[in-house]
Amino acid sequence: GENVEQHPSTLSVQEGDSAVIKCTYSDSASNYFPWYKQELGKRPQLIIDIRSNVGEKKDQRIAVTLNKTAKHFSLHITETQPEDSAVYFCAARGAGGYQKVTFGIGTKLQVIP
Amino acid sequence: SQTIHQWPATLVQPVGSPLSLECTVEGTSNPNLYWYRQAAGRGLQLLFYSVGIGQISSEVPQNLSASRPQDRQFILSSKKLLLSDSGFYLCAWKPYPSDTQYFGPGTRLTVL
Repeated sequence: GENVEQHPSTLSVQEGDSAVIKCTYSDSASNYFPWYKQELGKRPQLIIDIRSNVGEKKDQRIAVTLNKTAKHFSLHITETQPEDSAVYFCAARGAGGYQKVTFGIGTKLQVIP
Repeated sequence: SQTIHQWPATLVQPVGSPLSLECTVEGTSNPNLYWYRQAAGRGLQLLFYSVGIGQISSEVPQNLSASRPQDRQFILSSKKLLLSDSGFYLCAWKPYPSDTQYFGPGTRLTVL
Protein backbone atom coordinates (compact mmCIF):
# COMPACT_ATOMS: atom_id res chain seq x y z
CA GLY A 1 0.00 0.00 0.00
CA GLU A 2 0.82 3.67 -0.07
CA ASN A 3 3.38 5.03 2.38
CA VAL A 4 3.69 8.76 3.03
CA GLU A 5 6.68 10.14 4.86
CA GLN A 6 6.67 13.71 6.17
CA HIS A 7 9.41 15.87 7.61
CA PRO A 8 10.31 17.68 9.69
CA SER A 9 8.17 16.56 12.59
CA THR A 10 8.56 19.96 14.25
CA LEU A 11 9.46 23.31 12.77
CA SER A 12 10.00 26.69 14.44
CA VAL A 13 10.27 29.86 12.40
CA GLN A 14 10.33 33.56 13.15
CA GLU A 15 7.27 35.53 12.18
CA GLY A 16 7.65 36.74 8.62
CA ASP A 17 9.99 33.95 7.57
CA SER A 18 9.04 31.10 5.25
CA ALA A 19 8.25 27.52 6.25
CA VAL A 20 8.66 24.43 4.09
CA ILE A 21 7.28 20.98 4.84
CA LYS A 22 8.24 18.04 2.65
CA CYS A 23 6.53 14.72 1.94
CA THR A 24 7.36 11.68 -0.12
CA TYR A 25 5.01 8.96 -1.31
CA SER A 26 5.59 5.44 -2.53
CA ASP A 27 2.74 4.66 -4.94
CA SER A 28 3.49 6.12 -8.35
CA ALA A 29 -0.23 5.79 -9.22
CA SER A 30 -1.25 8.31 -6.54
CA ASN A 31 -2.99 11.23 -8.19
CA TYR A 32 -4.24 13.63 -5.52
CA PHE A 33 -2.29 15.32 -2.75
CA PRO A 34 -4.15 17.37 -0.11
CA TRP A 35 -2.69 19.32 2.78
CA TYR A 36 -4.58 19.75 6.05
CA LYS A 37 -4.05 22.16 8.94
CA GLN A 38 -5.09 21.08 12.43
CA GLU A 39 -5.21 23.58 15.24
CA LEU A 40 -5.02 22.30 18.80
CA GLY A 41 -8.11 20.30 19.74
CA LYS A 42 -9.84 20.89 16.42
CA ARG A 43 -10.53 18.97 13.27
CA PRO A 44 -8.10 18.91 10.33
CA GLN A 45 -9.11 21.36 7.63
CA LEU A 46 -8.06 21.35 4.00
CA ILE A 47 -5.83 24.29 3.14
CA ILE A 48 -4.65 23.40 -0.35
CA ASP A 49 -4.49 20.43 -2.68
CA ILE A 50 -2.83 19.48 -5.94
CA ARG A 51 -3.52 16.89 -8.59
CA SER A 52 -0.95 14.83 -10.39
CA ASN A 53 -1.38 16.71 -13.66
CA VAL A 54 -0.20 19.96 -12.05
CA GLY A 55 3.30 20.81 -10.87
CA GLU A 56 2.54 23.79 -8.65
CA LYS A 57 -0.43 25.54 -7.09
CA LYS A 58 -0.58 28.73 -5.08
CA ASP A 59 -3.19 30.32 -2.85
CA GLN A 60 -2.09 33.62 -1.33
CA ARG A 61 0.75 32.81 1.11
CA ILE A 62 0.50 29.05 0.63
CA ALA A 63 1.90 27.06 -2.26
CA VAL A 64 2.35 23.39 -2.99
CA THR A 65 4.76 21.81 -5.45
CA LEU A 66 4.71 18.28 -6.82
CA ASN A 67 7.53 16.31 -8.40
CA LYS A 68 6.00 13.13 -9.80
CA THR A 69 9.30 11.72 -10.98
CA ALA A 70 10.83 11.93 -7.53
CA LYS A 71 7.49 11.20 -5.84
CA HIS A 72 7.66 14.12 -3.47
CA PHE A 73 5.58 17.18 -2.76
CA SER A 74 6.08 20.18 -0.52
CA LEU A 75 4.09 22.86 1.26
CA HIS A 76 5.48 26.38 1.29
CA ILE A 77 4.16 29.07 3.60
CA THR A 78 5.54 32.55 3.08
CA GLU A 79 5.40 35.54 5.43
CA THR A 80 4.41 33.32 8.32
CA GLN A 81 2.13 34.67 11.02
CA PRO A 82 1.44 33.42 14.56
CA GLU A 83 -1.95 32.08 13.44
CA ASP A 84 -0.12 29.72 11.08
CA SER A 85 1.01 27.79 14.17
CA ALA A 86 -0.63 24.36 13.94
CA VAL A 87 0.01 20.78 12.89
CA TYR A 88 0.12 20.26 9.13
CA PHE A 89 -0.59 16.92 7.48
CA CYS A 90 0.22 15.92 3.95
CA ALA A 91 -1.66 13.09 2.28
CA ALA A 92 -1.67 11.08 -0.91
CA ARG A 93 -4.59 9.36 -2.57
CA GLY A 94 -4.15 6.20 -4.60
CA ALA A 95 -5.70 5.68 -8.00
CA GLY A 96 -7.33 2.35 -7.19
CA GLY A 97 -11.04 1.67 -7.00
CA TYR A 98 -11.41 2.83 -3.41
CA GLN A 99 -8.91 5.70 -3.67
CA LYS A 100 -7.69 5.49 -0.12
CA VAL A 101 -6.04 8.57 1.34
CA THR A 102 -2.86 7.97 3.34
CA PHE A 103 -1.67 10.69 5.71
CA GLY A 104 1.79 11.69 6.79
CA ILE A 105 2.68 11.80 10.48
CA GLY A 106 2.25 15.56 10.70
CA THR A 107 4.50 18.59 11.21
CA LYS A 108 4.05 20.85 14.22
CA LEU A 109 4.77 24.37 13.06
CA GLN A 110 5.47 27.08 15.60
CA VAL A 111 5.67 30.68 14.42
CA ILE A 112 7.52 32.80 16.95
CA PRO A 113 6.30 36.43 17.16
CA SER B 1 -25.13 23.21 2.50
CA GLN B 2 -23.40 20.07 3.65
CA THR B 3 -22.51 19.56 7.29
CA ILE B 4 -21.16 16.72 9.35
CA HIS B 5 -22.01 16.04 12.98
CA GLN B 6 -20.39 13.82 15.56
CA TRP B 7 -21.49 13.00 19.06
CA PRO B 8 -20.71 12.94 21.76
CA ALA B 9 -18.00 15.60 21.69
CA THR B 10 -16.22 14.10 24.69
CA LEU B 11 -16.53 10.80 26.46
CA VAL B 12 -14.89 9.19 29.48
CA GLN B 13 -15.41 5.46 29.76
CA PRO B 14 -14.02 2.71 32.01
CA VAL B 15 -11.99 -0.13 30.58
CA GLY B 16 -14.23 -2.99 29.47
CA SER B 17 -17.27 -0.83 28.84
CA PRO B 18 -19.03 -0.64 25.45
CA LEU B 19 -18.74 2.25 23.01
CA SER B 20 -20.97 3.83 20.42
CA LEU B 21 -19.95 6.94 18.48
CA GLU B 22 -22.22 8.40 15.86
CA CYS B 23 -21.57 10.44 12.76
CA THR B 24 -24.17 11.94 10.44
CA VAL B 25 -23.84 13.97 7.29
CA GLU B 26 -26.46 16.42 6.04
CA GLY B 27 -27.07 17.92 2.65
CA THR B 28 -25.65 15.16 0.51
CA SER B 29 -26.42 11.62 -0.58
CA ASN B 30 -24.31 8.50 -0.99
CA PRO B 31 -21.12 9.98 0.46
CA ASN B 32 -18.02 7.96 1.19
CA LEU B 33 -17.64 7.83 4.96
CA TYR B 34 -14.54 7.23 7.09
CA TRP B 35 -13.54 6.73 10.71
CA TYR B 36 -10.07 7.88 11.79
CA ARG B 37 -8.36 7.75 15.16
CA GLN B 38 -5.73 10.19 16.30
CA ALA B 39 -3.76 9.26 19.40
CA ALA B 40 -2.36 12.16 21.44
CA GLY B 41 0.27 13.98 19.39
CA ARG B 42 0.08 11.46 16.59
CA GLY B 43 -1.09 11.20 13.01
CA LEU B 44 -4.38 10.07 11.49
CA GLN B 45 -5.03 6.35 11.44
CA LEU B 46 -7.79 5.14 9.14
CA LEU B 47 -9.99 2.62 10.94
CA PHE B 48 -12.96 2.00 8.64
CA TYR B 49 -14.45 3.29 5.44
CA SER B 50 -17.75 2.83 3.67
CA VAL B 51 -18.86 3.53 0.12
CA GLY B 52 -22.52 2.66 0.70
CA ILE B 53 -25.20 1.43 3.09
CA GLY B 54 -24.17 -1.78 4.80
CA GLN B 55 -20.76 -1.78 3.17
CA ILE B 56 -17.84 -1.53 5.61
CA SER B 57 -14.14 -2.07 5.03
CA SER B 58 -11.71 -2.39 7.91
CA GLU B 59 -8.18 -1.08 7.75
CA VAL B 60 -6.87 -2.16 11.13
CA PRO B 61 -7.96 -5.34 12.94
CA GLN B 62 -8.85 -4.46 16.53
CA ASN B 63 -11.72 -4.52 18.99
CA LEU B 64 -13.65 -1.83 17.13
CA SER B 65 -16.40 -2.26 14.55
CA ALA B 66 -18.37 0.07 12.32
CA SER B 67 -21.80 0.07 10.77
CA ARG B 68 -23.68 2.17 8.26
CA PRO B 69 -27.38 1.63 8.87
CA GLN B 70 -28.44 4.60 6.77
CA ASP B 71 -26.93 6.45 3.83
CA ARG B 72 -25.69 9.36 5.89
CA GLN B 73 -25.07 7.67 9.23
CA PHE B 74 -21.87 5.98 10.32
CA ILE B 75 -21.42 4.36 13.72
CA LEU B 76 -18.27 3.23 15.48
CA SER B 77 -18.68 0.63 18.21
CA SER B 78 -16.83 -1.53 20.65
CA LYS B 79 -18.04 -4.25 22.99
CA LYS B 80 -15.16 -3.80 25.45
CA LEU B 81 -12.91 -0.76 25.49
CA LEU B 82 -9.18 -0.97 26.07
CA LEU B 83 -6.91 1.71 27.50
CA SER B 84 -5.28 1.94 24.07
CA ASP B 85 -8.61 2.98 22.54
CA SER B 86 -8.23 6.45 24.02
CA GLY B 87 -7.87 9.14 21.39
CA PHE B 88 -9.55 11.66 19.16
CA TYR B 89 -12.02 9.96 16.81
CA LEU B 90 -12.74 11.76 13.60
CA CYS B 91 -15.44 10.97 11.11
CA ALA B 92 -14.91 12.21 7.57
CA TRP B 93 -16.92 12.26 4.39
CA LYS B 94 -16.20 12.64 0.72
CA PRO B 95 -18.92 13.78 -1.66
CA TYR B 96 -19.11 12.40 -5.14
CA PRO B 97 -17.30 13.30 -7.38
CA SER B 98 -15.09 15.50 -5.21
CA ASP B 99 -11.55 14.52 -4.34
CA THR B 100 -11.61 16.05 -0.90
CA GLN B 101 -12.38 14.51 2.47
CA TYR B 102 -14.00 16.74 5.06
CA PHE B 103 -13.66 16.01 8.74
CA GLY B 104 -16.25 16.20 11.47
CA PRO B 105 -15.60 17.98 14.78
CA GLY B 106 -14.42 14.76 16.45
CA THR B 107 -15.05 12.87 19.67
CA ARG B 108 -12.39 12.89 22.36
CA LEU B 109 -12.47 9.51 24.09
CA THR B 110 -10.66 8.80 27.34
CA VAL B 111 -10.61 5.24 28.60
CA LEU B 112 -9.70 4.95 32.29
